[in-house]
Amino acid sequence: GESVGLHLPTLSVQEGDNSIINCAYSNSASDYFIWYKQESGKGPQFIIDIRSNMDKRQGQRVTVLLNKTVKHLSLQIAATQPGDSAVYFCAENKRPWGSSNTGKLIFGQGTTLQVKP
Amino acid sequence: NAGVTQTPKFRVLKTGQSMTLLCAQDMNHEYMYWYRQDPGMGLRLIHYSVGEGTTAKGEVPDGYNVSRLKKQNFLLGLESAAPSQTSVYFCATRGRGWNEQFFGPGTRLTVL
Repeated sequence: GESVGLHLPTLSVQEGDNSIINCAYSNSASDYFIWYKQESGKGPQFIIDIRSNMDKRQGQRVTVLLNKTVKHLSLQIAATQPGDSAVYFCAENKRPWGSSNTGKLIFGQGTTLQVKP
Repeated sequence: NAGVTQTPKFRVLKTGQSMTLLCAQDMNHEYMYWYRQDPGMGLRLIHYSVGEGTTAKGEVPDGYNVSRLKKQNFLLGLESAAPSQTSVYFCATRGRGWNEQFFGPGTRLTVL
């Protein structure tokens, strides 16, 4: 079946360092891979997505890398700040062939990023 | 604009009781979703709606019902609550972007 999983439940980094959060997936037919951030007591918030035919996409202080050969996705955060402390989820969006995109996402389990001052 | 709101924020039920969770949005989005989030797990889709008057099953629909009578509201019902339904429930909406969903603040439900 489909699954999206993260390698480590918790990642601790020093403020100012770069963070790398990893995710493995099993469904090669997904159209998009997505990263969400969830701060304590809040709902998840969209960060960035990458289409399955791309290898890399950059946003503001974030970069997502997609390695389809090993079915691996990563989120890199540059110059990590205390405000980056949160749980990060990878997710995938798979659209059944011939259908419209209903936006049904499959979420991984999440990695907690702790930023040390 | 309030975005996505959920009521109530917290609720404690006894086994067998029923309740309805309300999700309201003022973004005029067509798509709405109900998820549950359990400790150590990601979000799992319960039901979703692609527009007013429509609903569809998600990944874990058993024990829940939904209704979308108005475009701005999406209701999640538990007819006979069970302890296994203790969870945090999130509502989300989706605009034109395929992957960006806007989440509400969540409802923490405990079933004793």
